Amino acid sequence: NAGVTQTPKFQVLKTGQSMTLQCAQDMNHNSMYWYRQDPGMGLRLIYYSASEGTTDKGEVPNGYNVSRLNKREFSLRLESAAPSQTSVYFCASTTSLNIQYFGAGTRLSVL
Amino acid sequence: AQKITQTQPGMFVQEKEAVTLDCTYDTSDPSYGLFWYKQPSSGEMIFLIYQGSYDQQNATEGRYSLNFQKARKSANLVISASQLGDSAMYFCAMREGRVSNFGNEKLTFGTGTRLTIIP
Repeated sequence: NAGVTQTPKFQVLKTGQSMTLQCAQDMNHNSMYWYRQDPGMGLRLIYYSASEGTTDKGEVPNGYNVSRLNKREFSLRLESAAPSQTSVYFCASTTSLNIQYFGAGTRLSVL
Repeated sequence: AQKITQTQPGMFVQEKEAVTLDCTYDTSDPSYGLFWYKQPSSGEMIFLIYQGSYDQQNATEGRYSLNFQKARKSANLVISASQLGDSAMYFCAMREGRVSNFGNEKLTFGTGTRLTIIP
């Protein structure tokens, strides 16, 4: 009964380093999403994937890339991390009613 | 203009009292959905309740109900008989447009309300 699994849970990077956040869901959902959460700003959509093989930009895509590896997995990559990307990142997948189920989040600090 | 507005940054409520968390929305699309999520201090986002724009009745899920007033564009969350475990951040969110077969419509979130239940 895993639902949406994100790794890692915590990460500290130096400015300019790269990393990939992993997300996998076992609910056979078509659509998957990446959000960031900053204090006082709620969740903002970075990228989403409506189905395997497709990805689209959300509200704040700059500095990120994504890959929908298969139906289960949707990864988020930071090629050259910046302090402004310090945030909590959430992955979600959605049912047919567009009810989104979230992973536990990744706390990222960029120094 | 903000699509989702939550005007209460924080609320303190006595245990066992009912709580109403405010949410107003802005859309010109006749088809939309409204969601409430709970985020406890542990950080995960937990889905609570959903209301579709064409739903005739207010949604209810256990102690949670959604007071949907379409003309006012409000979708307030009501928690009955509050418990200490209800202390958390609460987010209102909206999907604009019909649900598709792929469920790829994006959600817009409000900034949240921090609810603290006092023993």
